[in-house]
Amino acid sequence: NAGVMQNPRHLVRRRGQEARLRCSPMKGHSHVYWYRQLPEEGLKFMVYLQKENIIDESGMPKERFSAEFPKEGPSILRIQQVVRGDSAAYFCASSPLPAGKSSYEQYFGPGTRLTVT
Amino acid sequence: AQKVTQAQTEISVVEKEDVTLDCVYETRDTTYYLFWYKQPPSGELVFLIRRNSFDEQNEISGRYSWNFQKSTSSFNFTITASQVVDSAVYFCALSAYNFNKFYFGSGTKLNVKP
Repeated sequence: NAGVMQNPRHLVRRRGQEARLRCSPMKGHSHVYWYRQLPEEGLKFMVYLQKENIIDESGMPKERFSAEFPKEGPSILRIQQVVRGDSAAYFCASSPLPAGKSSYEQYFGPGTRLTVT
Repeated sequence: AQKVTQAQTEISVVEKEDVTLDCVYETRDTTYYLFWYKQPPSGELVFLIRRNSFDEQNEISGRYSWNFQKSTSSFNFTITASQVVDSAVYFCALSAYNFNKFYFGSGTKLNVKP
């Protein structure tokens, strides 16, 4: 069973460009979380999605950031008009149920490292 | 408000020493979950343990052990007889009962020297 896949693993964008980060959850998982990790810091929650629904986006910046998890295909984290402060590692995690219930957990992808030049 | 504090930014030990990583949390929820994750130099996060707020039993898994104390809002992690492969950043995390979001501490970087 393949794990959580994220692509690209590394992404370089110039200021003002758009960044699209993809997350393919594990097979059978319908819950996806996105996190951002700034250098030397912990993970900061951004958004929690189920298929076609945003459940909690309280950690998302109000502007330029959006996320979706369509019925078919991967979850997408989109950052418009990137700025240098967006440089970070972006992790997604998937779960078959809300993470923590029963024996299920969040399974993390390897992350996408975004560099804004 | 929910918050996780890992006061130890970086710890260095010599192989075979025991080491304890501290985690203190804040929450007003009566039902919550606590986690530890390991982030090796390769970058991926590896789940280590989950504990719910109603289960204060300490847990041991091989060289790893966890001490959960609600009275002090702490969930500390001990590695016995550390090994070089234990070198990583370790994160403590908190989730509310509905699991809609997770709060991570800033991490403790553990360096185990041969």
